Amino acid sequence: NAGVTQTPKFRVLKTGQSMTLLCAQDMNHEYMYWYRQDPGMGLRLIHYSVGEGTTAKGEVPDGYNVSRLKKQNFLLGLESAAPSQTSVYFCASSSYRGSNEQYFGPGTRLTVT
Amino acid sequence: SQQGEEDPQALSIQEGENATMNCSYKTSINNLQWYRQNSGRGLVHLILIRSNEREKHSGRLRVTLDTSKKSSSLLITASRAADTASYFCATAQSGSEKLVFGKGMKLTVNP
Repeated sequence: NAGVTQTPKFRVLKTGQSMTLLCAQDMNHEYMYWYRQDPGMGLRLIHYSVGEGTTAKGEVPDGYNVSRLKKQNFLLGLESAAPSQTSVYFCASSSYRGSNEQYFGPGTRLTVT
Repeated sequence: SQQGEEDPQALSIQEGENATMNCSYKTSINNLQWYRQNSGRGLVHLILIRSNEREKHSGRLRVTLDTSKKSSSLLITASRAADTASYFCATAQSGSEKLVFGKGMKLTVNP
């Protein structure tokens, strides 16, 4: 099993450009999450999903959109990137109960210039 | 907003010593979890302790939970250089589908 994978690993965007980050999990987990990690800020939840076709806002959702069309995939979109979105983005998944342990992907390092 | 706060924010010890990290939180929880993050990698789950548990062991890890003080501690015994990483506590509030992570603390184990 690959666990949780993220694509791409690195990306540099110019302000105003758009992109989509892809998260895939092969553990048949219901719950999936997108976090951003900034120095001194820990992990902050952007959006999450409690099952295929569902999405919900987290702590810092502004400027991001998500979709969960298939159970195994969770996409994070930036429609118009801003320098404040420079961060490391982590995807995670969890089985039955969202408060169970979460399995993390390796992260995507995004720089917006 | 962070729920858990780790203390200390950084700790440097010698190999073989024990490392203790503390986490304080603010609201009632269903469980508390500890994660490790090696530099440039994703987080890895270490241990979960439920609100009705007071102590839990896993290998060289010992976690305690004091719900009256809203605090938890993670003890790593006989530390190794490979334990060098950032450690995060995360809380699951009752009825919530989410975890709330602290800002993390950096442990350095010197060989």
